[in-house]
Amino acid sequence: NAGVMQNPRHLVRRRGQEARLRCSPMKGHSHVYWYRQLPEEGLKFMVYLQKENIIDESGMPKERFSAEFPKEGPSILRIQQVVRGDSAAYFCASSGGAAETQYFGPGTRLLVL
Amino acid sequence: QKEVEQNSGPLSVPEGAIASLNCTYSDRGSQSFFWYRQYSGKSPELIMSIYSNGDKEDGRFTAQLNKASQYVSLLIRDSQPSDSATYLCAVKGARGDSNYQLIWGAGTKLIIKP
Repeated sequence: NAGVMQNPRHLVRRRGQEARLRCSPMKGHSHVYWYRQLPEEGLKFMVYLQKENIIDESGMPKERFSAEFPKEGPSILRIQQVVRGDSAAYFCASSGGAAETQYFGPGTRLLVL
Repeated sequence: QKEVEQNSGPLSVPEGAIASLNCTYSDRGSQSFFWYRQYSGKSPELIMSIYSNGDKEDGRFTAQLNKASQYVSLLIRDSQPSDSATYLCAVKGARGDSNYQLIWGAGTKLIIKP
């Protein structure tokens, strides 16, 4: 599968737990973007990363959220001490360059109980 | 603040007719424009991109761009029930530091009635 991969596809957490979402970009892509989508709403940009660098995290909440894209392995979006309002679909997209088309993974649906 | 506006719908179109989806944007310097389709519970899927004024056709889909009026549209000919989805318009900003960032509309829900 040469497409963008995300796992898990569904994640259930209780309030206060940590959620860790993973994204493997399309083969040959080194640019990763994370988006959040609440039910019946549009996509909201969270963070843009290249290998080992956070380029833009202007859409990410200042607390509890962090992202990384290590030299080896997938990009990870980490949400600490989850709250019910974090329940949403989290999509990862990748591109071959900053100005190139973004292709989306299947998403991770996070449910916080 | 850069914005992309779409009518949320739902837009109901009979099967076989032309569905017309519209999108306006606020950043006059925008360079790249994209239409994505999103089925319920699924991820966005790229349908078309357009960069120059005029029409761009791909099968049953035609994207139209008018930079002077700051709008981009998507026409779907011979609409099929399988076209029922939410259509997202995304605009990439003007060249510069943030030319990677897509600004998204909230989407138009399209319903094709058999």
